[in-house]
Amino acid sequence: EAGVVQSPRYKIIEKKQPVAFWCNPISGHNTLYWYRQNLGQGPELLIRYENEEAVDDSQLPKDRFSAERLKGVDSTLKIQPAELGDSAVYLCASSGGFGETQYFGPGTRLLVL
Amino acid sequence: QQQVKQSPQSLIVQKGGISIINCAYENTAFDYFPWYQQFPGKGPALLIAIRPDVSEKKEGRFTISFNKSAKQFSLHIMDSQPGDSATYFCAASVGGYNKLIFGAGTRLAVHP
Repeated sequence: EAGVVQSPRYKIIEKKQPVAFWCNPISGHNTLYWYRQNLGQGPELLIRYENEEAVDDSQLPKDRFSAERLKGVDSTLKIQPAELGDSAVYLCASSGGFGETQYFGPGTRLLVL
Repeated sequence: QQQVKQSPQSLIVQKGGISIINCAYENTAFDYFPWYQQFPGKGPALLIAIRPDVSEKKEGRFTISFNKSAKQFSLHIMDSQPGDSATYFCAASVGGYNKLIFGAGTRLAVHP
């Protein structure tokens, strides 16, 4: 069974440019998470989806970050405009539902110059 | 109160030795304590987890010890192997996997 798929794996952009990350969760997983992992730190939750609904976006910087999960499957996380401090690894995870194990993708490493 | 403090930041162990990583928390509402293992270029993967109604859980060479009164829990890796070299994260949550709060991680290197 395929795991969580993320693309691109690496992205280098200049500050003030937009960037988007894509995630395809494990088939059948209704819950999808986006995390940000700064260098030398643990992941921090940005947003959690239950199917199409964003049920926890309290940590998402809404002035520049947006996310969507159309049709309750794939998800896209966008940053516009990017700032130097956004350089990090953006991880997507999915689970079969509330209270179940989260499976992480390999992440997208973003470098903002 | 949401923090999970992890130590040490890095750890070097000889092959066959015991690796011990510690975590402490403040929020007494936490009721789920998983450990994740992360290799370079990969996402974190669940290693082992414990709930506060037990003081110890063992899976193969990996053991979690949990001290509810001290609000501390630790990961022990017995007979450490070079393949165990990775970054380990403790985490905690309320109500299962709803919202995991991660520690800062411990980079483990097991030397042959």
